[in-house]
Amino acid sequence: DIQMTQSPSSLSASVGDRVTITCRASQTISTSLNWYQQKPGKAPHLLIFAATSLHSGVPSKFSGSGSGTDFTLTISSLQPEDFATYYCQQHYNFPWTFGQGTKVEIK
Amino acid sequence: EVQLAESGGGLVQPGGSLRLSCAASGFTVSTNYITWVRQAPGKGLEWVSVIYSGGATYYADSVKDRFTISRDNSKNTVYLQMSNLRDEDTAVYYCAKYSGYGFLDYWGQGTLLTVSS
Repeated sequence: DIQMTQSPSSLSASVGDRVTITCRASQTISTSLNWYQQKPGKAPHLLIFAATSLHSGVPSKFSGSGSGTDFTLTISSLQPEDFATYYCQQHYNFPWTFGQGTKVEIK
Repeated sequence: EVQLAESGGGLVQPGGSLRLSCAASGFTVSTNYITWVRQAPGKGLEWVSVIYSGGATYYADSVKDRFTISRDNSKNTVYLQMSNLRDEDTAVYYCAKYSGYGFLDYWGQGTLLTVSS
């Protein structure tokens, strides 16, 4: 199975900060990488697909980069509504696997 | 409008069985891929199973031979039949529409399964 490792597991940031979350795959997955946002008690919500493509309706403050084994999700200017948990997910091979999540909290 | 609605969760004893339903609207399940993802309390997301439009099915090792995904095209509904349930199957179960381009673009609200004696 492909292991997805996110870092950090949690972070504290202020409104307006630039935030970067990293996701590393245990083997190459090309660009078969998605990012989701999840708020407490809610279903996950797609942000980025194919490593770099912004899903319809997602604000441009979110961006993704990377290919192969190393990927990043960047939030250019953190807003109150962005405090949530973020997950990466690979669909290169079955079983599809998620990272353990990165919780973004208010400083 | 695309919507997914899970139902069927509840409290089950270890070793028991239960069937979850995922009712779709705004699109046709028979021409799309539908997946189940679960989340144990306070934990991360775990992919469980997927059914392709052509009928092919895939499972996580943790549920293989215990869970079965299926669909009823006449009801536009996908099911997850779960048997020999274990404590570690306790989770919120989400169904989601797989775009076919590699991402899960619509999710249901989830249904909670609790396995406990």
